[in-house]
Amino acid sequence: SQTIHQWPATLVQPVGSPLSLECTVEGTSNPNLYWYRQAAGRGLQLLFYSIGIGQISSEVPQNLSASRPQDRQFILSSKKLLLSDSGFYLCAWSVQGKTQYFGPGTRLLVL
Amino acid sequence: GNSVTQMEGPVTLSEEAFLTINCTYTATGYPSLFWYVQYPGEGLQLLLKATKADDKGSNKGFEATYRKETTSFHLEKGSVQVSDSAVYFCALSDPGNTGFQKLVFGTGTRLLVSP
Repeated sequence: SQTIHQWPATLVQPVGSPLSLECTVEGTSNPNLYWYRQAAGRGLQLLFYSIGIGQISSEVPQNLSASRPQDRQFILSSKKLLLSDSGFYLCAWSVQGKTQYFGPGTRLLVL
Repeated sequence: GNSVTQMEGPVTLSEEAFLTINCTYTATGYPSLFWYVQYPGEGLQLLLKATKADDKGSNKGFEATYRKETTSFHLEKGSVQVSDSAVYFCALSDPGNTGFQKLVFGTGTRLLVSP
C-alpha cells in the first residue's frame, strides 16, 4: 500500500532563517505531488504541484520554492523565512488526475 | 473562478444528534466533489467523494449527494459520536487545462461533539 511521510512534524524557526521541509511517498511510481499551506483559521491553499522529476508549477507568488529531485521526493524550501510563512504545511500525492492523499503535515512557527 | 463555500463553524452538537454541514460550489464544467476530515493535529483524510450529478458518496455513516441543480454537496450523518469531532473540508476538483487535478477547498467547518 502507499504511504506518505513528512518531516519534521513541528518546526520553530527565526525570521530570516532558511527552511527545508521534506515529503516522500512510498508504494507508487510517478505520482503527482502537491504542497499546500493551511494558515491559522483558514482553508488550504495550493502552493506548488509537480507531475514529474524537476517539473514544478507554482500557484501563488511567495517566499517559498519547491523541488523534486527524485520521483517520490518533494521538498519545500525558503532562503529567508517571513513571519507570514507560519502555518501547517501539507504534502499530498495522487496518481494522475485521481484522488489526492495527504501526509500528516508539518507545523511551522516563524518567530 | 471555481470556489467552495462552507458554513461557518464551530458546529456544536450532543452525541447522537443529526449533523448537517452545508457546502455549495461555483464551477465551470463538471467537477468532482470531496469531503476531507482533519482530526486534531493530523493531516487530511479523504472521507467521501462524488464524481457526477446525483452521485451519493458515503463512508463511516457520513453521506453527501452531488446536487447539480443547487450546486451543493452537503455532508450529513444521522448520529454523531464524540470521535467525529474534527474539521471538515469540502473541496472540488478543477482539472484545468492540463487535466491535472487541482483541488479547491472551502475554509473548513469545525465540529465539536459533546458526550
